Amino acid sequence: NAGVTQTPKFQVLKTGQSMTLQCAQDMNHNSMYWYRQDPGMGLRLIYYSASEGTTDKGEVPNGYNVSRLNKREFSLRLESAAPSQTSVYFCASSEVWRGGPGNTIYFGEGSWLTVV
Amino acid sequence: AQTVTQSQPEMSVQEAETVTLSCTYDTSESNYYLFWYKQPPSRQMILVIRQEAYKQQNATENRFSVNFQKAAKSFSLKISDSQLGDTAMYFCAFMNPGGGADGLTFGKGTHLIIQP
Repeated sequence: NAGVTQTPKFQVLKTGQSMTLQCAQDMNHNSMYWYRQDPGMGLRLIYYSASEGTTDKGEVPNGYNVSRLNKREFSLRLESAAPSQTSVYFCASSEVWRGGPGNTIYFGEGSWLTVV
Repeated sequence: AQTVTQSQPEMSVQEAETVTLSCTYDTSESNYYLFWYKQPPSRQMILVIRQEAYKQQNATENRFSVNFQKAAKSFSLKISDSQLGDTAMYFCAFMNPGGGADGLTFGKGTHLIIQP
């Protein structure tokens, strides 16, 4: 039962470096999401992909780009990392992108990113 | 946009006691979905319970139950016979039927500590 898998689990970057967080789900879900979690905060939505071939901005998209590579995979890219992007990043997926009976969002284990 | 408020940053109870975590939300929608997620020290986000706003009956899952008061926009979580493994951050979350850029909106969390 892999569910949602994220890599890497931990990463330290220098300011200005770029990196990509990878995410894959094996539940045949249509929708995928990237969230960030900062101390004392709940999760905030960065980008989402309602279905394969589409991506849209969430609450905090600045400084990030995403790619929905196929139905299983959804990557998050930091083009020029900044200390403000130090956070824990969660990938998630759900059957569909809207609320509905039985539609639940499932999360990966998180990726700890530190930008120095 | 909707907001979710958890007014208790931290709570501590003795093992086997019952504890109630508070959550209020603000929305203009009439139909929506509410969730409680548990985040143990491992940082994994685990779904505890969900409630559809159109259902009057409160959801229950073993020792976990909710008190959903739609008119008051309140969604509290009751944990009965608390166990040491219940120690975690608990997040209340809201999803509207349209999903989209709002995705799941989270509260800031309540840190629950179960004392032996």
